Amino acid sequence: AQKVTQAQTEISVVEKEDVTLDCVYETRDTTYYLFWYKQPPSGELVFLIRRNSFDEQNEISGRYSWNFQKSTSSFNFTITASQVVDSAVYFCALSELNTDKLIFGTGTRLQVFP
Amino acid sequence: DAEITQSPRHKITETGRQVTLACHQTWNHNNMFWYRQDLGHGLRLIHYSYGVQDTNKGEVSDGYSVSRSNTEDLPLTLESAASSQTSVYFCASSEATMGQEKAFFGQGTRLTVV
Repeated sequence: AQKVTQAQTEISVVEKEDVTLDCVYETRDTTYYLFWYKQPPSGELVFLIRRNSFDEQNEISGRYSWNFQKSTSSFNFTITASQVVDSAVYFCALSELNTDKLIFGTGTRLQVFP
Repeated sequence: DAEITQSPRHKITETGRQVTLACHQTWNHNNMFWYRQDLGHGLRLIHYSYGVQDTNKGEVSDGYSVSRSNTEDLPLTLESAASSQTSVYFCASSEATMGQEKAFFGQGTRLTVV
């Protein structure tokens, strides 16, 4: 069965610190997709990234970077030089091929203090 | 701009009442989904639809139903509201099942069953 584990329930950092959010997934599919979503205090879900199982290249977007490692079934998310506006709940999710159904982890609440 | 909207944003209802949450998208997406968000569980799939007249059960479908009479709308009905259905509900839509497009989420409906 598919499963996503975000073991870190809550992380607190001081502004400008780097922080990594862990995501470990389980799936029997050879083709699958991984996502990260951000949920700020206002409550909406904001798409951050999608990665397919054939693309293990790391990705960087500004202060955000993602490390995908199939060998350890992990898709970790790093925020460099964190800012107060990064405070949110972050969800990692897995999707089966051709279904678009998302299986979410339980989320990691990140608090960035000034 | 295309969007996905949920209504109402907040609802309080009594145990045993039937409640319908609306979801309307103007993306012309074939795929639509309902998730519920609960602390400690992340988001879990309730029902989903891949097109008009198509509906499918998700992980936590008991006590819920959906209907898809047009492309734009997927209303979620709680047949007889229970306190265990107090939650935040998110509707989402996506374009296609090939290529696993990202899902666009509504702003959520906070439902309280008293």
